[in-house]
Formats: sequence, C-alpha cells, structure tokens
Amino acid sequence: AQTVTQSQPEMSVQEAETVTLSCTYDTSESDYYLFWYKQPPSRQMILVIRQEAYKQQNATENRFSVNFQKAAKSFSLKISDSQLGDAAMYFCAYRSGFNSNSGYALNFGKGTSLLVTP
Amino acid sequence: DGGITQSPKYLFRKEGQNVTLSCEQNLNHDAMYWYRQDPGQGLRLIYYSQIVNDFQKGDIAEGYSVSREKKESFPLTVTSAQKNPTAFYLCASRRGLAGGRITGELFFGEGSRLTVL
Repeated sequence: AQTVTQSQPEMSVQEAETVTLSCTYDTSESDYYLFWYKQPPSRQMILVIRQEAYKQQNATENRFSVNFQKAAKSFSLKISDSQLGDAAMYFCAYRSGFNSNSGYALNFGKGTSLLVTP
Repeated sequence: DGGITQSPKYLFRKEGQNVTLSCEQNLNHDAMYWYRQDPGQGLRLIYYSQIVNDFQKGDIAEGYSVSREKKESFPLTVTSAQKNPTAFYLCASRRGLAGGRITGELFFGEGSRLTVL
C-alpha cells in the first residue's frame, strides 16, 4: 500500500508570512493524484489543491501552491500571505489513477497542524 | 445545494451496544466511503462502495458493517465487536468515471463524533 508521510506534526507562521508544509509518499505507480485537504476546527474536510502526476506544471489555487517533485516523491504545500483563517489541520493524500484496489479511496498522511499568529 | 449529510453529529453509546451512523448524499455520486479519524492518526479507510449493492472492506473494517441499498445512502454500523469505537467518523463520496479516468476528488460530510461511555 502507498504510504504518505507528513514529517511536521505542527507548524507556526505569522500573519502575512509564507509557510511550507512537507509531504512525501511512497509508490511504484506512475499514474496517480495528490491532494491537500484542510480541516479547520469545524472538522469539515475542504479540498485545497489537487495535482495530477502526469502534469509537470505545479498546481496553484490563489495563495496556495504546490512544489511537486515526482522523482523525489515529494509534494509540499506553500501558503503565501498567511491569514488567520488558514489555521487548521492540513492533510496530504494520495490516490491511484487506474486500477485501484481500494475503490480509488484516498490514502492520507497523519496531518500537520498549522497555527497562524497575529 | 448538493452535499453530504451525516447524522447524528454527536452520539453517545454504552459499551455492548450497536449504533448506526447515517450518510446521505445528493451529488449523484457513484462511490461512497467511510473513514475513521483519531488524534495523530490521520484518516483511515473503513469501508467503501463503488456501486449500489456492492461494498468492500477497507483497512480497518473489523467491528463495522455497511449497506448500500440506494445510491444516495451509505450507513455505517459500529458493532459491539469494535473494541475502541470512540472516534470521529467521516463519510465521503466521489463521481464516477469521466472519459475513462477517475479524476474526481472526495467530497466530505461534516462528520459524526461517537463516544462510548
């Protein structure tokens, strides 16, 4: 099974600054998808950004961008101009592209808790 | 608005009792999933269903059961055989095939918090 590792249990950033959350994964597949989800205190899981492995260009969504290094199996999330509302648990997730044995379920890391200070 | 509704939001259960968590979606999605979340553990897959009347075990299915009689509904029963049922449970859904590829992300409900007394 593919494993997803988030090595930073907690991170802190000051408002308006930039922070990068790390994620590495282990897979032998060439076709897959990677995701970052945000879970605020309400505990609702919200999709932040998605990256298809066959696309070389890094995905970007407003203040959120990723650094996808396929060879290194690394998928970090950069949050620019951090806001108080960005405080949440962030989960990195992996999913197979084809022929999934788990119904194309997402395989999650253990999460990084992001604190944003004024 | 389309979405996923989980109920109840909070549930208390005595040891030895079965309890059923409801999950309903009006997104017309084919696939549905149940995850369990514990502090420091991330989300772990309990069961999933890709079509009506079919479901498969995930990584931690022991002590749980599901049914998928309707496309919209995927209830999870936590049985007395589950040794440590206190947790946060999340239901999710996904669109089906699009041009031969599974491209969709998972959409999540707001979760159910189960506490065993």
